[in-house]
Amino acid sequence: EVQVLESGGGLVQPGESLRLSCAASGFTFSSYAMSWVRQAPGKGLEWVSGISGSGGSTYYADSVKGRFTISRDNSKNTLYLQMNSLRAEDTAVYYCAKAGIAARIFDSWGQGTLVTVSS
Amino acid sequence: DIQLTQSPSFLSASVGDRVTITCRASQGISSYLAWYQEKAGKAPKLLIYAASTLQSGVPSRFSGSGSGTEFTLTISSLQPEDFATYYCQQLNSYPLTFGGGTKVEIK
Repeated sequence: EVQVLESGGGLVQPGESLRLSCAASGFTFSSYAMSWVRQAPGKGLEWVSGISGSGGSTYYADSVKGRFTISRDNSKNTLYLQMNSLRAEDTAVYYCAKAGIAARIFDSWGQGTLVTVSS
Repeated sequence: DIQLTQSPSFLSASVGDRVTITCRASQGISSYLAWYQEKAGKAPKLLIYAASTLQSGVPSRFSGSGSGTEFTLTISSLQPEDFATYYCQQLNSYPLTFGGGTKVEIK
C-alpha cells in the first residue's frame, strides 16, 4: 500500500526556518516525481514545489521561489522541504503528494502537517 | 502563469441530482487537466486526469470532458458520499495551478 507521511510542522516566528519531511513507502520512491501542495486555513489548494524522481529537476511556485528548497533522499525514501524566511502567508497545511501516471498529477497524498507562522 | 477559474464556487444539490462543475483556463492547455475531491479533514483524492480519464477505483458516475480552455466535471447521480469540495488542476506547465474550488453541499 502506498503511504506518504509528513512531519516537521509547527509554530515558528516570521523570518525563521523550518524543514518538512515526507516518508514514503509502498512504491519505488526513486521512480516517481513528488510535490508539496499547501492549503491555507479556509482556502483552496496551492502547489508549492515539485521534484523529479532522480532529484535532478526542481520546480517552484513564484510565491516561494528563493525561500523554499525541495530535495529528496532516494536511499531513505524521503522528501524534504526546507523553508526559510517564513512569512505569515506561509501558514498552511502542507501536503506531500506522489506523482501519478503523469509527473504532474498527484495520485497519493499524505494527511498533511500544519505550519503556523506567527509572532 | 495559467489561471483556472471554477464555477460555481458553491453548489447546493440533492441526492440523485446531476451536477456539473466548470473549469476555465486562462490559456489553452490541451487535455492537461485533472480533478480532485476533498472532504473535510482528509487529503485530496484524484478523480480524473487527462481531462476525461477516470482514476482507478473512482465510481463511473464521475466523468470529465473538455479540452483547450473549457472543462467540465459531471456527477451523473449525486450520492451522499459525494458532498465535498472539488478542484481542477492544470498540468500543462509549471507552475502547476489549481482552481479555486467548488463546494457541493446538501440541499
